[in-house]
Amino acid sequence: DQQVKQNSPSLSVQEGRISILNCDYTNSMFDYFLWYKKYPAEGPTFLISISSIKDKNEDGRFTVFLNKSAKHLSLHIVPSQPGDSAVYFCAASSMDSNYQLIWGAGTKLIIKP
Amino acid sequence: SAVISQKPSRDICQRGTSLTIQCQVDSQVTMMFWYRQQPGQSLTLIATANQGSEATYESGFVIDKFPISRPNLTFSTLTVSNMSPEDSSIYLCSVGQGAGKTQYFGPGTRLLVL
Repeated sequence: DQQVKQNSPSLSVQEGRISILNCDYTNSMFDYFLWYKKYPAEGPTFLISISSIKDKNEDGRFTVFLNKSAKHLSLHIVPSQPGDSAVYFCAASSMDSNYQLIWGAGTKLIIKP
Repeated sequence: SAVISQKPSRDICQRGTSLTIQCQVDSQVTMMFWYRQQPGQSLTLIATANQGSEATYESGFVIDKFPISRPNLTFSTLTVSNMSPEDSSIYLCSVGQGAGKTQYFGPGTRLLVL
């Protein structure tokens, strides 16, 4: 049973435009959500997170939105840059976990020049 | 965030042999994890490395195949034993640190088993 789902395996966006990456979850006990970026042959890099008590968190070009009623979160990147081309993973943590994360399958973002 | 290094960064091994991967953190951390990422797949948690006690393995992973050591709060090793081509993956260590249950990752070890 996949508790964290990223239904788009890939996404192609023009440079300078907005990239929107989506993530759905099924477990209502999740209380923290994180986004990671991964280049090939490197470890994932933490990007941004959001607590379940908030509906938005912003850090520079990155904004994460959380819709608890829909069990949906999204990562917005604006403006998109060529260096943003990578695989993006959504992850979630539940109240009773101890830093353990449940991971989505990832979305490959391609920024076109 | 913690600075995490892994050795080796990559290796090519023959089937039936074993490889030990080292993970070094620049600060003391309680929570340390080992992951595997097979080609085109998501991250799969192998185990939580516990300091001073046996690692906690996830379903599908066993100590005989993936023995883990955690002698102190800054270091851990993962051994991939009796390797087969199916073990070809990127192996990653991570630490849980700071607010928000964030994990920070090492650069990974790329393993190819022939």
